[in-house]
Amino acid sequence: DADVTQTPRNRITKTGKRIMLECSQTKGHDRMYWYRQDPGLGLRLIYYSFDVKDINKGEISDGYSVSRQAQAKFSLSLESAIPNQTALYFCATSDPTGALDTQYFGPGTRLTVL
Amino acid sequence: SQELEQSPQSLIVQEGKNLTINCTSSKTLYGLYWYKQKYGEGLIFLMMLQKGGEEKSHEKITAKLDEKKQQSSLHITASQPSHAGIYLCGADRGNYQLIWGAGTKLIIKP
Repeated sequence: DADVTQTPRNRITKTGKRIMLECSQTKGHDRMYWYRQDPGLGLRLIYYSFDVKDINKGEISDGYSVSRQAQAKFSLSLESAIPNQTALYFCATSDPTGALDTQYFGPGTRLTVL
Repeated sequence: SQELEQSPQSLIVQEGKNLTINCTSSKTLYGLYWYKQKYGEGLIFLMMLQKGGEEKSHEKITAKLDEKKQQSSLHITASQPSHAGIYLCGADRGNYQLIWGAGTKLIIKP
């Protein structure tokens, strides 16, 4: 079984709808991240959480919100989806060891906003 | 322009040939991560480099971080179809966040 899972894997929605993307992990990591990937732009950080009570905005948090329900669960919401939020969304986890903080990624959610 | 530049953007290589992908930063790199992404899948961690001059290898993939710690290269020897995918570099800026290059798309021709 995958260590980091994301649901749904694909979603098509309409402008103005509220969407929630979910991420679960069995790695026991405290740190979790949400990224979006757009062609030619690489990954951009939306939000990150270092533990259940710690939520931080990333580079592009406008239009998004998150909830850390438990150590293993981190959800991303689009309150009112718009077409430029069409992208591939990744959840990741990490557990820093010294200078190493390798991130482990889920399979991604492909979101299309019409 | 991006803070972390990858080159080339895409690469088509004959199976069995060697290739190199570069990742260049405008600032000093405290840690440089290489990942591989296959279509429809997440990113798979390959290697992490931290020290100037450091070199690491995994199977036929070798990554180096230059002495000045502003560029890293990923070299694949005797490429195989399994090497096809998108290679991304991520840089640690020392604030617990990674910034990412745009990726290099690698296609292996049989």
